[in-house]
This record gives sequence, structure tokens and C-alpha cells, in this order.
Amino acid sequence: AQKITQTQPGMFVQEKEAVTLDCTYDTSDQSYGLFWYKQPSSGEMIFLIYQGSYDEQNATEGRYSLNFQKARKSANLVISASQLGDSAMYFCAMSPEATSGTYKYIFGTGTRLKVLA
Amino acid sequence: ETGVTQTPRHLVMGMTNKKSLKCEQHLGHNAMYWYKQSAKKPLELMFVYSLEERVENNSVPSRFSPECPNSSHLFLHLHTLQPEDSALYLCASSREVGHQSSYNSPLHFGNGTRLTVT
Repeated sequence: AQKITQTQPGMFVQEKEAVTLDCTYDTSDQSYGLFWYKQPSSGEMIFLIYQGSYDEQNATEGRYSLNFQKARKSANLVISASQLGDSAMYFCAMSPEATSGTYKYIFGTGTRLKVLA
Repeated sequence: ETGVTQTPRHLVMGMTNKKSLKCEQHLGHNAMYWYKQSAKKPLELMFVYSLEERVENNSVPSRFSPECPNSSHLFLHLHTLQPEDSALYLCASSREVGHQSSYNSPLHFGNGTRLTVT
């Protein structure tokens, strides 16, 4: 069964420090996508970064980078130089291979990040 | 202007009311989704539409009725809801679904409708 696990319900980080949010996944698909989303208190889910299962390089988008370790089935999000505006819920998600016959993007339970001034 | 717009932002309704949630996307996507987000639970996929056809109905009670008149608009019609249906309802769209490369299409979400059933 496909599953996303985020083991950190809450995290604190000092402003300007880096933080790593953990994500492990389980799938039997050969092709899949891994995503991170940010959800501020306003409710909107904001797409941050994407990693494809065949990508050899770790994805980076500005201050966000994805530490992809395929053998360990982990896709941790690293936020560098944290800002107060980074305080939010962060969700790891996985999209299935088209041939699996499902359209279910699987989401983790989220990690609430609080950046301290 | 955001790519995916949901209205209303907040909705309070009684159990006997009928209301509708609306979602509109301006991204040229051909797949649209309804998700339910309850406190301390993972996002629950409710419905998926691809090219205006429903392709996934995730065992959702019949008191929720989706409608997708075209690839840009998605509705969720609500009737005789229960208090446990109170949640944040999120609409999303993506570039394509069911194709070889669909796994690399991120979902783009709206701001959500915060629904309270009294």
C-alpha cells in the first residue's frame, strides 16, 4: 500500500537557521513524484518543490531543497535561512504512476513548523 | 489573481440546508479535485474529474454531490450534512492525469472553504 509518513508533528527553529522536515514513503511504483506543500494559517496549500523518482539530482527551489534518498525511501525538506513567514504546516505528498490506475495523491499528516525570532 | 479560486471562504449551514461550493481554475488544467481536511487527519481525497469526467469517487456519502460542467469549473453540492462534515474543503487542479508523465504534475490548490455544520 502507498503511504507517506511524517513523524514530526511539530518543530521549532530559530530565525535564520536551517531546518529539516522528515518524510518517508512507501510505494511499489517505479515512477512517482514527491512534493512538499506549505499551508499557512490562511488555509491555502502552496506547492513548494517537486522531486521525480528518476531524478538523480536533489531538487532545489530558492531556500527549499529536497534531500532525496531513494534507497531509504525518504524525501526530507530542508529550509535554509528560516524566516518568520515560514511558520506553517508542511505536507509531504506522493503522486502515483499513471499505470497504477489511481489518481490519488497521498499526503502525510503534516509537520507544524514554528520559526522563533 | 490566484490560479484556483474557491467561494465562499466561510460557510455556516444547518443540517437541513442545501448549499454549493464553487471552484474555478485559470491555469488551463484538465484535472480537478475535491479534498476534505479535518483537524489532525491527513487530507482526504473526495472526487477527481479528468476532462470533465469523474474518474474517482472515494467512497463519499451521497450528501456530497460534485458537478464539473467544464474543465475550469467544479462544484460541490451539499445537502443534509452532519456536524462531522465540518472541515476545510479544498479544491485543486493539475495539468493532466492518467498520462505517462502525470506523476510529475503538482496539485495547485485554492484557499479552501471553511465549512461549519450546525
